[in-house]
Amino acid sequence: GIQVEQSPPDLILQEGANSTLRCNFSDSVNNLQWFHQNPWGQLINLFYIPSGTKQNGRLSATTVATERYSLLYISSSQTTDSGVYFCAVPGGGADGLTFGKGTHLIIQP
Amino acid sequence: GAGVSQSPSNKVTEKGKDVELRCDPISGHTALYWYRQSLGQGLEFLIYFQGNSAPDKSGLPSDRFSAERTGGSVSTLTIQRTQQEDSAVYLCASSLQDMRSSPLHFGNGTRLTVT
Repeated sequence: GIQVEQSPPDLILQEGANSTLRCNFSDSVNNLQWFHQNPWGQLINLFYIPSGTKQNGRLSATTVATERYSLLYISSSQTTDSGVYFCAVPGGGADGLTFGKGTHLIIQP
Repeated sequence: GAGVSQSPSNKVTEKGKDVELRCDPISGHTALYWYRQSLGQGLEFLIYFQGNSAPDKSGLPSDRFSAERTGGSVSTLTIQRTQQEDSAVYLCASSLQDMRSSPLHFGNGTRLTVT
């Protein structure tokens, strides 16, 4: 099945810093989704981004499908950005999204 | 409803008992998914419904697990003869169409503890 790798696995930043999270996938896909899981376990869909760039406030995402990667940018980090960021793509069988292992982000005040 | 609703939010059960977890998707969403997340781990896909049909049940961990969806809406995940390794958060998601063309929206999950 398709492999999804995220980097870095862990990231600790000070409030106000910018960060870039990366998602590599092993096969061609027709869409990619980014999720944020907050410290209480809630999973929020951030972006549905098959290709190109999208922006939502301080967050933006870029997917280069031909090169099999996506990037999530977080600018001017806030403590509420803490949590785990997952990317997910179709594939792996049985019609479910395959998730990466996530990037655990801690924003310190 | 406004979002995906799951119940119960927490369930503690004794080893060997059966449990039933419920998911009420966003109104109008045809696709529904069940995932499992063990402590500190990623998401493990269990099963997908398009309407009332689950085309492939191979993601279910064992034959103790079953799922159904009725009326194209509510779904239940049943675990028979629970084991301690079944302890996890069970997450349900829905999407307007299948996940190749629509974003997934997750519920808050059911935390299952098997003692």
